[in-house]
Order: sequence, then structure tokens, then C-alpha cells
Amino acid sequence: QSALTQPPSASGSPGQSVTISCTGTSSDVGGYNYVSWYQQHPGKAPKLMIYEVSKRPSGVPDRFSGSKSGNTASLTVSGLQAEDEADYYCSSYAGSNIVFGTGTKVTVL
Amino acid sequence: EVQLVESGGGLLQPGGSLRLSCEASGFTFSRYWMHWVRQAPGKGLVWVSRINTDGRSTSYADSVKGRFTISRDNAKNTLYLQMNSLRAEDTAVYHCATNVVVLGPDGFDMWGQGTMVTVSS
Repeated sequence: QSALTQPPSASGSPGQSVTISCTGTSSDVGGYNYVSWYQQHPGKAPKLMIYEVSKRPSGVPDRFSGSKSGNTASLTVSGLQAEDEADYYCSSYAGSNIVFGTGTKVTVL
Repeated sequence: EVQLVESGGGLLQPGGSLRLSCEASGFTFSRYWMHWVRQAPGKGLVWVSRINTDGRSTSYADSVKGRFTISRDNAKNTLYLQMNSLRAEDTAVYHCATNVVVLGPDGFDMWGQGTMVTVSS
């Protein structure tokens, strides 16, 4: 049950794109199409941004997109806005358990 | 209003016990699997445990297996986490979470604000 690996930080200027990776194993990310991404602002509960690798819940802007290749999933935020500055976590179904990523702090320059 | 509200957190010494509660409202609680997720101060999210709709199937992270017990009372719309043999590393905000709109085993679209548990001598 090791955490999925994410880069500690990512950044971009307003209007640019940023992509965050999430690397696991064949027992989690690579084995199931159940990868989710969460956005968390300081002091707030996480918010679901992507589920089942690439699906967006109602109300999430289409600037947010997800993909997966092998054991690595990715979240891309296009057209960065100031309010996108937050921590982002991936998660994956792993059989009977769920495993989260280590988290990435996204900074809007 | 659809919401999850946790309670029961506090400060206690290593080796102690605590029971957390998560009260659900605004949706049919008994239809959904429920999870506990924790976040140590300044750290990332960690999945702790989950329970199925009737409470007969549970699963735990290795770090809490044998010490924590998840349960639910569908008549009271409430999820519980009994925490025994607490350690300093269990210090965290504990959130309950579920997926109400999203189907499938992952993708928590509803979270509580969390309750803080501090284990310190």
C-alpha cells in the first residue's frame, strides 16, 4: 500500500497549462480504470475534479482533463487561473483498498 | 442539504481509544459505501478504511489494521471509526467520504470537513 508518486510542485503562468503525473504500479493505477484527482485549498475538504481516469463531475470546468498510460496517470489544467492554485492529489482503486498520491502543490505565477 | 458532519475528535495520550462519528444528511445513507480518509498536519491524504452498504464487508489500510474498526448504523445515518491503541502517527484530521453521484469504487464526490485527532503525551 505505498502511496502513488506525484511531483511535489508544479507551476505555470495564467493562461498556460500544467500537467501533473501520478505513478503507481500494475496493482493500482495500471490495473484499473479507477483513477481520481482531487483539488484541495488550504483548510478545505478535497474536491473531486476527475474520476475514472478522465471523467469530470458536473460543475468542474473542462480546463481540467485526465489521462492514463500504463502505470502513470496525468492531470492537465489548461488555461491556468488564479483559483487553480491548490494542492492536487491523485487516487486509485487497488483491489479492496484505495491509495492516494503524495500530492502536488500547483502555483500560479 | 447534502452533507457529512464528523465529530468525536480530541487530544489523547498514546495507547488511548477514541470513537469518531460521521452523520450523513440529505441523501439515502444506507445505499452508499463509506470511507475514512485522514490527513496529518501539513501532509497528504491517506485512505484509512471503507465499509459496504450493510456493514458486513470492511477493509483497512495496513497502518491501522487490527487497531481501528469501521462500522455504521443505517437507522441513524451514521458512520463510525473506533480507534484503539492510538499512536502519535495517528495524529490527523479524519474525514469521512463517499461517492453519491459517481458510481464505482473510487471518486469521492462528498466529503466532510473533518475532525482533528491529536495523540500526544
